Amino acid sequence: DTEVTQTPKHLVMGMTNKKSLKCEQHMGHRAMYWYKQKAKKPPELMFVYSYEKLSINESVPSRFSPECPNSSLLNLHLHALQPEDSALYLCASSQESEAETQYFGPGTRLLVL
Amino acid sequence: KNEVEQSPQNLTAQEGEFITINCSYSVGISALHWLQQHPGGGIVSLFMLSSGKKKHGRLIATINIQEKHSSLHITVSHPRDSAVYICAALKTSYDKVIFGPGTSLSVIP
Repeated sequence: DTEVTQTPKHLVMGMTNKKSLKCEQHMGHRAMYWYKQKAKKPPELMFVYSYEKLSINESVPSRFSPECPNSSLLNLHLHALQPEDSALYLCASSQESEAETQYFGPGTRLLVL
Repeated sequence: KNEVEQSPQNLTAQEGEFITINCSYSVGISALHWLQQHPGGGIVSLFMLSSGKKKHGRLIATINIQEKHSSLHITVSHPRDSAVYICAALKTSYDKVIFGPGTSLSVIP
């Protein structure tokens, strides 16, 4: 199983809502990532979890809150987002670090109204 | 100047044509990824290279570490190859991946 799954596929939320994005992999990977991608731009790294601990936070605003409840799951909690946060949010995983091939999920397309 | 550049930005090809997408980088790297992103958004890792050449079906990726340059070739293009191709460099100084801007490929039947 070389699949990374993400739910939901699409999400529309208001600026006062609280929602969560979910990512799951069953490849035994110990590194997991959240990326944000705007239209016609490459992905931008947001967070890296290594062995369930947050190892990199690329100066992401606190309205994005990651969580890694176990080695297979990665969540991204969203609160008080802005319309400019509308983007495709991609999750990825790799064996242990960014030094290896990353496997990407299909993404969650988020629209903030 | 971006640390990872790609050319061309957009490419339209006729089915069956040989296609080359180029990637150049200005930082020291330990490896380079080639990724494919279809219009739906999902990203697929095609190759990870640290030297030489890799081949998978109709796809070939090469890297020249001295010249800081990599190429992705599609030997016999097909409409299903239409996608954005992104090269991503893994920096040696810090395990950080730098993405290129992407090349949008459209293959016409």
